[in-house]
Amino acid sequence: QSVLTQPPSASGTPGQRVTISCSGSSSNIGNNPVNWYQLLPGTAPKLLIYSNNQRPSGVPDRFSGSKSGTSASLAISGLQSEDEADFYCAAWDDSLNAWVFGGGTKLTVL
Amino acid sequence: EVQLVESGGGLVQPGGSLRLSCAASGFTFSSYEMIWVRQAPGQGLEWVAYISSSSSTKHYPDSMKGRFTISRDNAKNSLYLQMNSLRAEDTAVYYCAREQHKPSNGFDIWGQGTMVTVSS
Repeated sequence: QSVLTQPPSASGTPGQRVTISCSGSSSNIGNNPVNWYQLLPGTAPKLLIYSNNQRPSGVPDRFSGSKSGTSASLAISGLQSEDEADFYCAAWDDSLNAWVFGGGTKLTVL
Repeated sequence: EVQLVESGGGLVQPGGSLRLSCAASGFTFSSYEMIWVRQAPGQGLEWVAYISSSSSTKHYPDSMKGRFTISRDNAKNSLYLQMNSLRAEDTAVYYCAREQHKPSNGFDIWGQGTMVTVSS
């Protein structure tokens, strides 16, 4: 049981916009920045979004993040086949004194 | 090139020990906080350990306290994870990663991972 809650799956067709949610509590998302990671099959995780809505250099602006209260979202617009991957949200938890991850969302491009 | 390279994984029997290493290059290792994260087969990401840049602060999830020890040698640009009393459920790919400087705290550089298999 992950501390942060994500839907196990999401899907969309090429060109569509999809969003992935991440729900937490006041001790993690509510009080700390949220980061998002992309895991392509057989590769190491890649930082996709940091500090709720910032993109590292090289990440396309099709990817965007937002946060409101104890929830966060990752949006992918102009969906492409190469976006098919697993996505994880993460945040520091002040009560657990631990980094916590969501359970991951598998994105399928139909 | 900024890079992290893990080593030390392998097959170990339940109850055994293993020491993972992570060699850093291309950046000032001593100024960054570092972590270990693992991914068990078919499972999600799980944070394993955190160490501050000076080694003064270390954090672990409760499930790993007392069994895992994170350390670093800034002179050698290296990060380590000593794992003792290993269990089957510790079987996973273990990644080292660099934490961004504050106020950001994303893990922006990752190694390729090293596989640890705990089995008799």
